Amino acid sequence: EVQFVESGGALVNIGGSLTLSCEGSGLTFMNASMSWVRQAPGKGLEWVGRITKKIEGGRTDYATPVKGRFTISRDDAKNRLFLHMTDLKAGDTAMYYCTQGMHWGQGTLVTVSS
Amino acid sequence: SSELTQPPSMSVSPGQTARITCSGDLLSRQYAFWYQQKVGQAPKLVIFVDTERPPDIPERFSGSTSGTTVTLTISGVQPEDEADYYCHSGDAGGTLWVFGGGTKLTVL
Repeated sequence: EVQFVESGGALVNIGGSLTLSCEGSGLTFMNASMSWVRQAPGKGLEWVGRITKKIEGGRTDYATPVKGRFTISRDDAKNRLFLHMTDLKAGDTAMYYCTQGMHWGQGTLVTVSS
Repeated sequence: SSELTQPPSMSVSPGQTARITCSGDLLSRQYAFWYQQKVGQAPKLVIFVDTERPPDIPERFSGSTSGTTVTLTISGVQPEDEADYYCHSGDAGGTLWVFGGGTKLTVL
């Protein structure tokens, strides 16, 4: 069974930084392009960005609101995906999910407050 | 345009058919995916590449496409189908993900 488990969510101050982690199991992680999707409280789904498989260059793409502030990386040896967030804003408050499309984790909550 | 438009809400009675639409220019060039999200849970894929259903999804869920509109049909709606439903596709280059605003399905 494919599973993703996110961790690292926390309460952080505006302007602060935070790194989220996602551990995958039940799949050949290195063969999966992975995305981060977020959901602000009471709102819809918003794509954050993605990283392709290493064999496809490990290329990253980001949504406009986070470009230049967020960085996605992966460690295939540890079946892990990361989201490094800097210069956090109140609008980044959300549940953050990792997914390869078919399967999703349960999410980790990031709250940005002054 | 890279937007996907869904009706914000709809309601049906148990046993009826629900048809949730998603419209956008990119749907004429890219596949659509549908996710179900129940309160307090993560999204769950119910339809992929326009019409395919994952093995654990009931047969009453189906997808169809026509031009720039895709439709999620739930035949014989059950009370447990009450949820938010989101359509999703890629941008014109197939690189960026785009989500519709979501449709809240209420089963009366």
